[in-house]
Amino acid sequence: EIVLTQSPATLSLSPGERATLSCRASQFVGRFLAWYQQKPGQAPRLLIYDTSNRATGIPARFSGSGSGTDFTLTIDSVAPEDFALYYCQQRSTYTFGQGTKLEI
Amino acid sequence: QVQLVQSGAEVKKPGSSVKVSCRTSGGTFTTHAISWVRQAPGQGLEWLGGINPMYETSNYAQKFRDRVTITADEPTSTAFMELTSLRSEDTAVYYCARRSVGGEDATFFYAMDIWGQGTSVTVSS
Repeated sequence: EIVLTQSPATLSLSPGERATLSCRASQFVGRFLAWYQQKPGQAPRLLIYDTSNRATGIPARFSGSGSGTDFTLTIDSVAPEDFALYYCQQRSTYTFGQGTKLEI
Repeated sequence: QVQLVQSGAEVKKPGSSVKVSCRTSGGTFTTHAISWVRQAPGQGLEWLGGINPMYETSNYAQKFRDRVTITADEPTSTAFMELTSLRSEDTAVYYCARRSVGGEDATFFYAMDIWGQGTSVTVSS
């Protein structure tokens, strides 16, 4: 089974700062890595798929990069509504990472 | 606009089974894989498995292979997830999810942008 390890577990920032979230796969997953955002009491929301493609309606401040086993989600100038949990998912065995909490 | 509508909350005894439904409305059913994902209180997302209704093929996470069964009923556009031998650790919100795009990409249990509202399952004696 492919294990996705996200870091850091918690990221403390202020609005307007840049957020960099990492997701590392235990095996090669190519470019097939997605990112989700989840707020309390809500279902996850797809942000990025296939490493760098933004899902419909996702603001341009969200971007993804990486390949193979190392991937990054970047949020340029974090907005107040961006404070949430973030998860990555790979397409080989569909597992999720354990999540990164972005907090103020 | 495609929506996934799940069945209501369940309270179950340890050792029993639960079956949660997920109905697709406003779109095609057979062309898109349906995933089941759960989230225990204060925990992360966990993929249980999924089904491709067109091929009637199911795929399960290794951890749940002996306890979960995912099926689909095309006439009612409904997918089902049954989990047996319930224990307290199965207390969670269970979501169904799928992609909105079609074609080959829709057959993977990945990058889901349409989610059900979630079904709370509580296992308690």
